[in-house]
Amino acid sequence: DQQVKQNSPSLSVQEGRISILNCDYTNSMFDYFLWYKKYPAEGPTFLISISSIKDKNEDGRFTVFLNKSAKHLSLHIVPSQPGDSAVYFCAATANSGGYQKVTFGTGTKLQVIP
Amino acid sequence: DTGVSQNPRHKITKRGQNVTFRCDPISEHNRLYWYRQTLGQGPEFLTYFQNEAQLEKSRLLSDRFSAERPKGSFSTLEIQRTEQGDSAMYLCASQLMGGQDTEAFFGQGTRLTVV
Repeated sequence: DQQVKQNSPSLSVQEGRISILNCDYTNSMFDYFLWYKKYPAEGPTFLISISSIKDKNEDGRFTVFLNKSAKHLSLHIVPSQPGDSAVYFCAATANSGGYQKVTFGTGTKLQVIP
Repeated sequence: DTGVSQNPRHKITKRGQNVTFRCDPISEHNRLYWYRQTLGQGPEFLTYFQNEAQLEKSRLLSDRFSAERPKGSFSTLEIQRTEQGDSAMYLCASQLMGGQDTEAFFGQGTRLTVV
């Protein structure tokens, strides 16, 4: 049962353009969402998060949008840089409701072409 | 505090041997997770602890796997009678539950190769 889904396994974008990574979830208990970036042979690195009480959170070049009614979130990277090339994982958890683990999607490999 | 630390970084073992990995979480983080990741997949949940209590184990976790967090600080993950299918990256993460920001921070992982 894949509760967090990233349907695009890969994405290629020109340097300077916008990268949009998408994520869908099925569990309505999730109320906190995170994006992680992972380079080969390293552990995932936290990038940005959003609480379900918000619909947008921005941190520099990274913006996460949350559409609760559609159970959809997206990560926008503007402008994209070659160093952004990595695998991006969407994750979700429930802050309220006790003991909910962090659940990950399968990842989207982003390649930013110089 | 330098973040979540995992040891060893790499482990090669023969099939049938036992292996043990260690994770030192970020100080004061009360939650600790173990995940496993194989090529092309996202981190797959194995188990997690709230302080010293193990709250959940994945159905995918066979009886050969056991994890402990005896004092609510570091944790160990042991795999008995390793099989080739156990080859993966084993990731540990820690999290401070109860605060406003509850992102989980990961260690570098332990790469296990069973030959």
